[in-house]
Amino acid sequence: DAKTTQPPSMDCAEGRAANLPCNHSTISGNEYVYWYRQIHSQGPQYIIHGLKNNETNEMASLIITEDRKSSTLILPHATLRDTAVYYCIVGSGANSKLTFGKGITLSVRP
Amino acid sequence: DAGITQSPRHKVTETGTPVTLRCHQTENHRYMYWYRQDPGHGLRLIHYSYGVKDTDKGEVSDGYSVSRSKTEDFLLTLESATSSQTSVYFCAISERPGTGLYNEQFFGPGTRLTVL
Repeated sequence: DAKTTQPPSMDCAEGRAANLPCNHSTISGNEYVYWYRQIHSQGPQYIIHGLKNNETNEMASLIITEDRKSSTLILPHATLRDTAVYYCIVGSGANSKLTFGKGITLSVRP
Repeated sequence: DAGITQSPRHKVTETGTPVTLRCHQTENHRYMYWYRQDPGHGLRLIHYSYGVKDTDKGEVSDGYSVSRSKTEDFLLTLESATSSQTSVYFCAISERPGTGLYNEQFFGPGTRLTVL
């Protein structure tokens, strides 16, 4: 499976958009991009996934570049409860054996 | 979330003793997974199951065995616990038939295991 690279941390102000970047330059054609988050010691929570097209759900938007080598997770109006570790993961589709890296720690400040 | 429970939630044991962790789901999901999470390593897959009696190894399977005798239960066994197996263990499930939700994994609350 392709590996991903994320900055270790970032912060944003409450109410503003949080844009979390991810590089996955070795992604192959049948691999999806998944985003999960983990709020302090809880189990990870699925956020969104995509293959080629941009995706949006009630939690976030996922923007995938045309060459698929990078993506951005957008939380449109970050709240304090969005403070968490966010994992960008690449996997080959249904029931992937997901490989979690260290993720990016997002801190939302008041 | 998603009807997943793990037991026990906390356990302290001694080196060399056997330990079994249980993951129970009420969602009828086909796939079940065991991960461990350690500082500096993120989550790592130990074993997974793709059906009753069907299991396979993950990236850190040494020292662990699993069993799945029915859809709702997935057991993780440490035959002889070592201090290096001190960790937080998470169970996950995916693919409830008929929903099309096969790409999401739902995680349990975790079990904190300490091996002295």
